[in-house]
Amino acid sequence: KNQVEQSPQSLIILEGKNCTLQCNYTVSPFSNLRWYKQDTGRGPVSLTIMTFSENTKSNGRYTATLDADTKQSSLHITASQLSDSASYICVVSANAGKSTFGDGTTLTVKP
Amino acid sequence: EAGVVQSPRYKIIEKKQPVAFWCNPISGHNTLYWYLQNLGQGPELLIRYENEEAVDDSQLPKDRFSAERLKGVDSTLKIQPAELGDSAVYLCASSLGYGTSGTGELFFGEGSRLTVL
Repeated sequence: KNQVEQSPQSLIILEGKNCTLQCNYTVSPFSNLRWYKQDTGRGPVSLTIMTFSENTKSNGRYTATLDADTKQSSLHITASQLSDSASYICVVSANAGKSTFGDGTTLTVKP
Repeated sequence: EAGVVQSPRYKIIEKKQPVAFWCNPISGHNTLYWYLQNLGQGPELLIRYENEEAVDDSQLPKDRFSAERLKGVDSTLKIQPAELGDSAVYLCASSLGYGTSGTGELFFGEGSRLTVL
């Protein structure tokens, strides 16, 4: 069964600090991996999309990495801001469009 | 460009009552999804449409849930009768799909939060 496991489940950091969120998956055959940000009460919004051949991709202060061999991805947030407080969801898609969602990591950034 | 529009944003009903949610996808997106999201969990697919055809409804509880996508644009998700366990956020998403130049990136609406009393 295709699965996506995220860790930690929740994380609290101080404003200005960096943090790294983890995503492990067993989805096969792999097509792409995306990280979404979901603010409380809102729908998820895409941060990055990575295909098999990409091992790093940045979007401002967000940098995603992908190791397709170990089936692991990470999302690194640099110089965190209060507005980064949200749930971060890892989504892995197999060929033909079937997507498997992780349960997300809830990040709280405190002043 | 307008995003995915959902309504209502919030709905409170008593158990055994019917409820319906509406979704208008991004113009030109042929693929439409309905997801269910419980608190602290990721979205779970209920049904996926390619144009007006439901291509994956394996997770849709067909005894009480139904969906339609007339003319391959707007979609409606209905629950009848609602149960206490149906309380959740119902998310609609759309994408260009994999058969076109799109990457399959999902664009989500704000969701419809259902509370069943």
